[in-house]
Amino acid sequence: QVQLVQSGAEVRKPGASVKVSCKASGYSLSTYGISWVRRTPGQGLEWIGWINGKNGNTNYIQKVEGRLIMTTDTSTNTAYMELRSLRSDDTAVYYCARNSDTWLFDYWGQGTLVTVSS
Amino acid sequence: DIQMTQSPATLSASVGDRVTITCRATQSISSWLAWYQHKPGKAPKLLIYQVSSLEGGVPSRFSGSGSGTEFTLTISSLQPEDLATYYCQQYNNYPCSFGQGTKLELK
Repeated sequence: QVQLVQSGAEVRKPGASVKVSCKASGYSLSTYGISWVRRTPGQGLEWIGWINGKNGNTNYIQKVEGRLIMTTDTSTNTAYMELRSLRSDDTAVYYCARNSDTWLFDYWGQGTLVTVSS
Repeated sequence: DIQMTQSPATLSASVGDRVTITCRATQSISSWLAWYQHKPGKAPKLLIYQVSSLEGGVPSRFSGSGSGTEFTLTISSLQPEDLATYYCQQYNNYPCSFGQGTKLELK
């Protein structure tokens, strides 16, 4: 069955970077896209970007443009999200989620808490 | 960008109750509306897509309705395992967007 398993919680200081992994099983990453969605305290869920599993093309929201890099490693069937120049308002639980040609997410990872604090 | 507003933010109900959650969009999203269930520490789960289509394995006590800008999620008879936070999502426009969530609690 399809599963997305994410790496564990991270704590970083402002200005640092964090890289979160999302290992897929039960299907090939190259056949679907992977989106990243974050949940911030009091802000609900926010979609922040997507990587096309077939060609590696990416889309990011303006808020994280220039700081966010999404990649995939087909040899390990793992997607990565790296967020740089972290700010306190990047503190959130980050989820990877599978989507195809629409922005509908049929499988999600369990979430990774990223805490940005001095 | 389209904003999604859910109400109520918190809902207290008893086992067996009929429960309704409302989701409103700031502009028409046609029928591109989904609902997700999220339990603490778990992966969110797709319940309903395209307003009223149940994802495989979702119990029939869940149903969705609406069109345009106003949508509802209904649980016909609340079960203990339904206690969770529910999110609506529009996927008609880029970027997709979610409601703030409705936390369903036991009364």
